Amino acid sequence: QKEVEQNSGPLSVPEGAIASLNCTYSDRVSQSFFWYRQYSGKSPELIMSIYSNGDKEDGRFTAQLNKASQYVSLLIRDSQPSDSATYLCAVNAGNMLTFGGGTRLMVKP
Amino acid sequence: DAGITQSPRHKVTETGTPVTLRCHQTENHRYMYWYRQDPGHGLRLIHYSYGVKDTDKGEVSDGYSVSRSKTEDFLLTLESATSSQTSVYFCAISESSSGSDFYEQYFGPGTRLTVT
Repeated sequence: QKEVEQNSGPLSVPEGAIASLNCTYSDRVSQSFFWYRQYSGKSPELIMSIYSNGDKEDGRFTAQLNKASQYVSLLIRDSQPSDSATYLCAVNAGNMLTFGGGTRLMVKP
Repeated sequence: DAGITQSPRHKVTETGTPVTLRCHQTENHRYMYWYRQDPGHGLRLIHYSYGVKDTDKGEVSDGYSVSRSKTEDFLLTLESATSSQTSVYFCAISESSSGSDFYEQYFGPGTRLTVT
């Protein structure tokens, strides 16, 4: 059973702080890693993709991948109340994705 | 936003009745997926399609069937709905880059199904 693990949270951070979300995966052959944001009652929205070791930055978001440790993370700088949502980590297994259970982020004004 | 629609958006049905959910895309993507999302279980793959008339089972396929007769439409059928199939159902689409594993998936708005 290929697994993707996330802390369910809630992770609470003050407005303007850095939020750090973490994800571990079990399948060593995975090559593609994704972060989705899901607001309550809405569908998942793709916010970051990362395919090689290291960091990838897009605006206030940075994805970090360490394949040796089977670890992927998402940093959100200058967190805003509008970032409050559940963040899902997804890892490819062939042409399918396996999703973690999600981490609920709460950004307090 | 990816051009994905799902219908109906909400449905209440009785145990034992058949139900069909529709996913329609305007992106001409090859891959289409059906997921269900439940508290405590996250997103779980039901079935997926890798082309017209080409489908395969996912993690939780029991009690569900699918069909894809056109690139743009992927149907999910509950042959005889049960209360355990009360859930939110999401369709997703993907188009891999040639020779890569870049299977980014984009989700439709979801269908909330209640089986009473």
